[in-house]
Amino acid sequence: AQRVTQPEKLLSVFKGAPVELKCNYSYSGSPELFWYVQYSRQRLQLLLRHISRESIKGFTADLNKGETSFHLKKPFAQEEDSAMYYCALSPGGSQGNLIFGKGTKLSVKP
Amino acid sequence: GAVVSQHPSWVICKSGTSVKIECRSLDFQATTMFWYRQFPKQSLMLMATSNEGSKATYEQGVEKDKFLINHASLTLSTLTVTSAHPEDSSFYICSALSPLAGGIDTQYFGPGTRLTVL
Repeated sequence: AQRVTQPEKLLSVFKGAPVELKCNYSYSGSPELFWYVQYSRQRLQLLLRHISRESIKGFTADLNKGETSFHLKKPFAQEEDSAMYYCALSPGGSQGNLIFGKGTKLSVKP
Repeated sequence: GAVVSQHPSWVICKSGTSVKIECRSLDFQATTMFWYRQFPKQSLMLMATSNEGSKATYEQGVEKDKFLINHASLTLSTLTVTSAHPEDSSFYICSALSPLAGGIDTQYFGPGTRLTVL
């Protein structure tokens, strides 16, 4: 079964601390993986995708096929990073049919 | 950037009535749009894929006769919740697929519509 698991509902860190948002997936093929972010009272927006191998707002995520993980990391958290983060999987390789995890709420304290 | 709007942003209706929600891509054409449902403190669940000029593809467990989807143009998809009941109360979110530079499709999300059925 295709599934995305984000084990932490809430992650609270202090400003300047490293942050890692965990994401594990279950899919038999070669998925495309994404991280979406939703700031307070704003719409869901794409943060990054594994295929682009990019760093957005200091965040990076590496696809580990052996561990079927796609954890989101940032070395120094900022208060403006506080938001809901959703990991998503696209089985088809494009962004159709996204399967979302339940999300992790990141709270960065001053 | 690509912007997707939804109307209305919130709606309250009586049980048994029908409610229509619009999803528009404002500055791009979208042959494919998606409709999601989100319950409180839960993730987005894909309900259906809406393709311009053809019938929508519904996910397993989603009643197509209850959630009518019409994608009549390249910039508009509508979701009609027919004979709404309190259990249909939820947050409905649409997205539109648009190719980024380099040809990689990206979903752009609307702000969502809060439906409350009394």
